[in-house]
Amino acid sequence: DTGVSQNPRHKITKRGQNVTFRCDPISEHNRLYWYRQTLGQGPEFLTYFQNEAQLEKSRLLSDRFSAERPKGSFSTLEIQRTEQGDSAMYLCASSPTGTSGYEQYFGPGTRLTVT
Amino acid sequence: AQSVTQPDIHITVSEGASLELRCNYSYGATPYLFWYVQSPGQGLQLLLKYFSGDTLVQGIKGFEAEFKRSQSSFNLRKPSVHWSDAAEYFCAVGALPTNSGYALNFGKGTSLLVTP
Repeated sequence: DTGVSQNPRHKITKRGQNVTFRCDPISEHNRLYWYRQTLGQGPEFLTYFQNEAQLEKSRLLSDRFSAERPKGSFSTLEIQRTEQGDSAMYLCASSPTGTSGYEQYFGPGTRLTVT
Repeated sequence: AQSVTQPDIHITVSEGASLELRCNYSYGATPYLFWYVQSPGQGLQLLLKYFSGDTLVQGIKGFEAEFKRSQSSFNLRKPSVHWSDAAEYFCAVGALPTNSGYALNFGKGTSLLVTP
């Protein structure tokens, strides 16, 4: 068990550019979540995958955001036409099937800075 | 709608002193409750969880929390704080499975400073 990994750890981009983040969950976990955390706030839910199916999207996830999880393994989160308000820490978490699905294991996050 | 409140934004304690971090939730049914810790540059680490049963739960690193239904609280405690406990602490609540799977609703966090 190597834990949840996220890449890159830091990303600085100019407003209007597209960015993509990757999350590799714990291998046997079929649930995967994306959260966003801004300064001074707790993480906020963005979207949820069970295997390759994206089952829920928060209203925080505007149409500039898209997430995929091909083959139910790693996941990517893409932000198109970035805005300064997108600057945040993007956290990925995974959990196994069943009641323990509430136990979410978080990656270190990708810190996005939009200039 | 469910919500989580952590009334204390910052708390400072002396090393060796006891610690209590407050968490209140608003939810119609018995929630699933969690405490996470986040150190600078690190991801969130699960300290402990409450699903049902014994209302006093033990976690890692010597932490414990008590679920009090009458007060809608789930306060985190530690009898003796170590300097390495300085971090941001988040309380979170999970609802019964919905389309959001097991998405967690987090409080805004409490920043713990430990002084020598």
